[in-house]
Amino acid sequence: QVQLQQSGPGLVKPSETLSLTCTVSGDSIGTYHWNWIRQPPGKGLEWIGHVDYSGSTNYNPSLRSRVSVSLDTSKKQFSLTLKSVTAADTAVYFCARLSGGTGSGCFDSWGQGAQVTVSS
Amino acid sequence: SYVLTQPPSVSVAPGKTATITCGGNNIGSKSVHWYQQKPGQAPVLVIFYDGDRPSGIPERFSGSNSGSTAALSISRVEAGDEADYYCQVCDTGSDHVVFGGGTKLTVL
Repeated sequence: QVQLQQSGPGLVKPSETLSLTCTVSGDSIGTYHWNWIRQPPGKGLEWIGHVDYSGSTNYNPSLRSRVSVSLDTSKKQFSLTLKSVTAADTAVYFCARLSGGTGSGCFDSWGQGAQVTVSS
Repeated sequence: SYVLTQPPSVSVAPGKTATITCGGNNIGSKSVHWYQQKPGQAPVLVIFYDGDRPSGIPERFSGSNSGSTAALSISRVEAGDEADYYCQVCDTGSDHVVFGGGTKLTVL
């Protein structure tokens, strides 16, 4: 059974870069899309972007200018980088596996979530 | 971009059936998935591909999708079903993922 374990700092200063990593265990990296999703305090889920096993990426247009998602298949890890953060980026960040492809897939496995606060 | 619309809240008495809707342009042509999220926890998939249930999800949970509305139904509602519920689709034109705004289910 696949498990996703998130890691990264919980506090980031304004204008700096947020970086999070998700480690995959219990299944292969291949044939899936690996995603980041966030949830601001008291609000709903927002899809950030994903990377597939070939390294191909796709991003939410609202974040595309600041975000990067990458994959390290040798370590079975994928990472999120979000530049020039502001208080509006304060949220719980989740990593998740998309099964079934980008045409119709669903998130069948999630990381535990990580609270990231942007504050000086 | 594709938009999914959910009611902010639904209330239901224990033992009754709760129905949560998810509206979208021609959503019946897409595959809709539903997630349950309890406070402080990651979302859990409860319905996928409109009406399929993952293993471990009670048969009380069911889904439908037609026209411009998809729906999640929970029969014989229990106190433990109280949570936020989100619908999700993939926008095939852009390969972007879209979530509905979420519905808070309150068990009276």
